[in-house]
Amino acid sequence: QVTLKESGPVLVKPTETLTLTCTVSGFSLSNARMGVSWIRQPPGKALEWLAHIFSNDEKSYSTSLKSRLTISKDTSKSQVVLTMTNMDPVDTATYYCARVIVVVTAIPEYFDYWGQGTLVTVSS
Amino acid sequence: SYELTQPPSVSVSPGQTARITCSGDALPKQYAYWYQQKPGQAPVLVIYKDSERPSGIPERFSGSSSGTTVTLTISGVQAEDEADYYCQSADSSGTSHVVFGGGTKLTVL
Repeated sequence: QVTLKESGPVLVKPTETLTLTCTVSGFSLSNARMGVSWIRQPPGKALEWLAHIFSNDEKSYSTSLKSRLTISKDTSKSQVVLTMTNMDPVDTATYYCARVIVVVTAIPEYFDYWGQGTLVTVSS
Repeated sequence: SYELTQPPSVSVSPGQTARITCSGDALPKQYAYWYQQKPGQAPVLVIYKDSERPSGIPERFSGSSSGTTVTLTISGVQAEDEADYYCQSADSSGTSHVVFGGGTKLTVL
């Protein structure tokens, strides 16, 4: 059974750095056909892709947020970590991690399993 | 930056057919994928590779592609289909970047 679960703070202050962890089970982060992505959704708004990490440790970031994002993984712990620096109230959103199916190395297709999401509020 | 365009809302009566479109310049070269999201829940994949249906998704969900537009069709809409629907694709050939459409709220009257 494939599951993903996000964890991290529910409240961060402006200018702080957000660190979110995605713990996966039911598949390995070393599987070449899969990766893990982060996607966010501000309240009442659309989904926004943030970043991917693949089995070969190749990473990809949203162009608009690239300077603020870092994604990494610990295969032995089955965890993927996303950090986002310089948080702002506009970053208030539900943050999801999702398994991404890969057609060839580091080329994503679609998200077949999602975590439940974690709401992060940015406020002083 | 690359965008996928969806209508903000679609309304249908129960039993009718709902069609939700998604337009993007790269869609002739890239597959599209569709997700259903109900309030307070994570998205669920309902169509992949333009027209393939994952196991467990009802047959009333189908997808098609024509030029720069892909369409999600829900035949015989049921009250439980009321949700937000998002299309997703890659922003260009060979890239690892992903883009989502703005979402369409399907209302079952």
